[in-house]
Amino acid sequence: NAGVMQNPRHLVRRRGQEARLRCSPMKGHSHVYWYRQLPEEGLKFMVYLQKENIIDESGMPKERFSAEFPKEGPSILRIQQVVRGDSAAYFCASSPLGSGFDGYTFGSGTRLTVV
Amino acid sequence: QKEVEQNSGPLSVPEGAIASLNCTYSDRGSQSFFWYRQYSGKSPELIMSIYSNGDKEDGRFTAQLNKASQYVSLLIRDSQPSDSATYLCAVNMDNSGGYQKVTFGTGTKLQVIP
Repeated sequence: NAGVMQNPRHLVRRRGQEARLRCSPMKGHSHVYWYRQLPEEGLKFMVYLQKENIIDESGMPKERFSAEFPKEGPSILRIQQVVRGDSAAYFCASSPLGSGFDGYTFGSGTRLTVV
Repeated sequence: QKEVEQNSGPLSVPEGAIASLNCTYSDRGSQSFFWYRQYSGKSPELIMSIYSNGDKEDGRFTAQLNKASQYVSLLIRDSQPSDSATYLCAVNMDNSGGYQKVTFGTGTKLQVIP
């Protein structure tokens, strides 16, 4: 039973390029959460998605960032025209539908470096 | 702004001692509380959850919750060098959407000295 899968593990982009980060939730989980961890800082909530729906994107920067969770396939966090300040670790977590939440299980993360 | 506050440390304890990590939170309506351990360059790993006032023990770890004081703590008994990591306090804040939205503190770095 695979856990939350994220890829790539490391991503290097030049300023102005696009970054695409992928997250496959645990089997049977239909909720996905994205968090960002800047160097020496805590985890910050970015967005919460269910299949084909964005439920809460209150933590997403207003420009250049978007997220989706299609009916088929992984959740995608897309960062357009990356800048050096986007360099961070991006973590994804998933949870099942309904009650019984007992904390997130995170994927291994994608470490984005913008050069 | 709903917040979770932790002392950033580092907290240094000798091997075999008790490490005490503390956390306060601002949202009085919070219901679920978690401690995560994060090794450098790795993802956070859930080690404890607590939902009601009092203590919850799991092996060498004890989580303590006091909702009246809005205070959560983690005790690590018989600390080992392998416990050296950053410990993140996390709180499932009350939100009108009824879904899980966890707010994290910035973490306390623990160093266990052999």
